[in-house]
Amino acid sequence: LAKTTQPISMDSYEGQEVNITCSHNNIATNDYITWYQQFPSQGPRFIIQGYKTKVTNEVASLFIPADRKSSTLSLPRVSLSDTAVYYCLVGDVDKLIFGQGTTLQVKP
Amino acid sequence: GAVVSQHPSWVICKSGTSVKIECRSLDFQATTMFWYRQFPKQSLMLMATSNEGSKATYEQGVEKDKFLINHASLTLSTLTVTSAHPEDSSFYICSARGAAGTTYNEQFFGPGTRLTVL
Repeated sequence: LAKTTQPISMDSYEGQEVNITCSHNNIATNDYITWYQQFPSQGPRFIIQGYKTKVTNEVASLFIPADRKSSTLSLPRVSLSDTAVYYCLVGDVDKLIFGQGTTLQVKP
Repeated sequence: GAVVSQHPSWVICKSGTSVKIECRSLDFQATTMFWYRQFPKQSLMLMATSNEGSKATYEQGVEKDKFLINHASLTLSTLTVTSAHPEDSSFYICSARGAAGTTYNEQFFGPGTRLTVL
């Protein structure tokens, strides 16, 4: 199982773009990269998933370089409600291993 | 779509009693359900995985006789914490995954259940 490394915390201000990078040096050929968001006392919420290059949906973009050893979650124009813990996961859908995540604090 | 519910959302019980937590997939059939535990300021830890109609597979260090898991249908899984003690107080989260090849082939998480054992 590929281990992931993320910054423990990040601060940002409303309206800014936030980029959270995750390292996964031992990613396997078949592994997908998935990001989840979790608010206090709630279950994680799926944000985005990708395999390579770039994926974009209505809430975020995911950038994955060719070697796939890292990925960057990009949140455009964050608001206070984006304050949460963000988890980067790599691997099989039946074996999600949650790391420590990145606590994003958005300030007014 | 892909809504997973848990009941109750919170429960307080006395030490030594048993508590049952339900996890339901409301709009899809969950071939696999997962149970996680999360202590304050910590990440989610996978406790067990269950497939409908089969015995659950427990992660290392999780006592299967203490945390009883039943996955009797494609929309319902239950976790029973037997003889609960204060150290079992935690946030229990379930997730459900649909069949491979469908749009539900990922883990969708429930809202969690806060268990407090006095």
